[in-house]
Amino acid sequence: LAKTTQPISMDSYEGQEVNITCSHNNIATNDYITWYQQFPSQGPRFIIQGYKTKVTNEVASLFIPADRKSSTLSLPRVSLSDTAVYYCLVGEGNQGGKLIFGQGTELSVKP
Amino acid sequence: EAGVAQSPRYKIIEKRQSVAFWCNPISGHATLYWYQQILGQGPKLLIQFQNNGVVDDSQLPKDRFSAERLKGVDSTLKIQPAKLEDSAVYLCASSRGYSNQPQHFGDGTRLSIL
Repeated sequence: LAKTTQPISMDSYEGQEVNITCSHNNIATNDYITWYQQFPSQGPRFIIQGYKTKVTNEVASLFIPADRKSSTLSLPRVSLSDTAVYYCLVGEGNQGGKLIFGQGTELSVKP
Repeated sequence: EAGVAQSPRYKIIEKRQSVAFWCNPISGHATLYWYQQILGQGPKLLIQFQNNGVVDDSQLPKDRFSAERLKGVDSTLKIQPAKLEDSAVYLCASSRGYSNQPQHFGDGTRLSIL
């Protein structure tokens, strides 16, 4: 099982760009990298998923280097509402989508 | 599309009692997951269904927990008898397919054991 390591907490200010890096040294060839966001009293919400290089959607970008041993979630111009826990997961593509959640990164955005 | 529905939202029981949670996944989603999330931790997968068959239940405490997914749609998770350490949020999620598909989560059932 591919284990992920990410910072336990991060602080930022409104309007800044936030980059959260995740390490996954033993990622398998057919594993995808997925990020989820979780607010208190809610279930996790899918943010973005990628396999290699760069993926961008309307809320975030995901940067994955060639060796795929790490990935960086980039949140442009964060606001107070981005305060949440962010989880990096590596999916076991050959075993039916089983995902192992780590402890996540608690992002606090200040005014 | 409607999201994943879970009920009840909250449940308080005494230890050794039984409890059941219900989940209605997004229409058309073949894969359904139950997670346990203890305060301050990430969700832990308990069981995964593909249609009405179990794909993975390796982390389900089978002496007290059971789950079923009748007709490959709704699912129930039961705990009998409950222990104090079962206090947690129980999350249900669903996805379209079997692998590398984004999961859509419900808001969970918060269980408190007295």
